[in-house]
Amino acid sequence: NAGVTQTPKFQVLKTGQSMTLQCAQDMNHNSMYWYRQDPGMGLRLIYYSASEGTTDKGEVPNGYNVSRLNKREFSLRLESAAPSQTSVYFCASSLDRSRTEAFFGQGTRLTVV
Amino acid sequence: QQQVKQSPQSLIVQKGGIPIINCAYENTAFDYFPWYQQFPGKGPALLIAIRPDVSEKKEGRFTISFNKSAKQFSLHIMDSQPGDSATYFCAAHKAAGNKLTFGGGTRVLVKP
Repeated sequence: NAGVTQTPKFQVLKTGQSMTLQCAQDMNHNSMYWYRQDPGMGLRLIYYSASEGTTDKGEVPNGYNVSRLNKREFSLRLESAAPSQTSVYFCASSLDRSRTEAFFGQGTRLTVV
Repeated sequence: QQQVKQSPQSLIVQKGGIPIINCAYENTAFDYFPWYQQFPGKGPALLIAIRPDVSEKKEGRFTISFNKSAKQFSLHIMDSQPGDSATYFCAAHKAAGNKLTFGGGTRVLVKP
């Protein structure tokens, strides 16, 4: 049972490059999320998708775009990477409003140089 | 503007001690308050959670205390062990959008 799978696990980008972080869950969850984790800042919500076909901005959406490709997959795109986007990125999913536990992937450590 | 404030940022206790982590929130629309535990190199995992109609919840050595009027909640780790050394995050859930807002995290070190 894989749960939430993120790829890649590590990535180094040059400033201005673009990339897409992939996330897939096999738990038939409706809601999916992208967070970034920075020291002392906790986990900050970038974008979320409450259900298939919808996406909404979180606390820190600038510089990112998302696509809810289907119920299983939710990708995060950096169009023009900046050093301020160096962080650890986590994808998470939860079933719905009545079952609120969020399950997290292992994270993607991104460095922008 | 951080909607969930967590303190302290770090905590060191001896084995058997009781680390206490505190969180405070402002938004009364939050309806569920979980705590997540994160080990280095791993994603956070749900540890214990409470709803605002309950003042205390215990699961094993972990206890949440909840004060609805003060809009505060805390995590106590009883008889702490070195294996409890991790980063702990409090969070608050809002039904609208089904999303979690996290505190800044507390790094707990339990010395043998």
